[in-house]
Amino acid sequence: DAGVIQSPRHEVTEMGQEVTLRCKPISGHNSLFWYRQTMMRGLELLIYFNNNVPIDDSGMPEDRFSAKMPNASFSTLKIQPSEPRDSAVYFCASSFRAGGHADSYEQYFGPGTRLTVT
Amino acid sequence: SQQGEEDPQALSIQEGENATMNCSYKTSINNLQWYRQNSGRGLVHLILIRSNEREKHSGRLRVTLDTSKKSSSLLITASRAADTASYFCATDEWMKRSGSNYKLTFGKGTLLTVNP
Repeated sequence: DAGVIQSPRHEVTEMGQEVTLRCKPISGHNSLFWYRQTMMRGLELLIYFNNNVPIDDSGMPEDRFSAKMPNASFSTLKIQPSEPRDSAVYFCASSFRAGGHADSYEQYFGPGTRLTVT
Repeated sequence: SQQGEEDPQALSIQEGENATMNCSYKTSINNLQWYRQNSGRGLVHLILIRSNEREKHSGRLRVTLDTSKKSSSLLITASRAADTASYFCATDEWMKRSGSNYKLTFGKGTLLTVNP
């Protein structure tokens, strides 16, 4: 069974460029999460989708960040324009949440995308 | 905002010894989870303990939860070099807006080094 797939694994770009990170969740999972990890701030939740619908985007740093989930098997996180302070490892995670059950479940993480903005 | 805080930040032990990591949190929770992260990899779920449970075991892992003290501990017994990793606790957080307590907040982790 393939786990969560993220691409690219590494991205180096110049300040001002657009960056698009991609994620394919585990088949059958209905919740998808985007996280950012830095030494200073640890692991931060950026946005959370349930059944392809954004539920909570309060962690998105600013308008330069946007995320979409056009279908159950694909999501993107876009940064435009990118800045050096966006340098971090970005993780996508997925989970299955039973309908109507307000509970937390284990999340399955992808390998991450290491983004460096120069 | 940080919910869970792990202690210690770093721990170095010899193979075969037990490793204990602690997590403290601030608000009421529904569940608490522990994750492991090997260097350069994504997080891997280890164990979930619910707020009405006090102790849970999984292989060489033992997790305790004390809701009165808002704390949890992760014990790894008979540690191996392969256990070298960062360990994170994650607590769920009530999301009033969505009516779901599904949002996890992670601590900054404990870096465990097991020397062969």
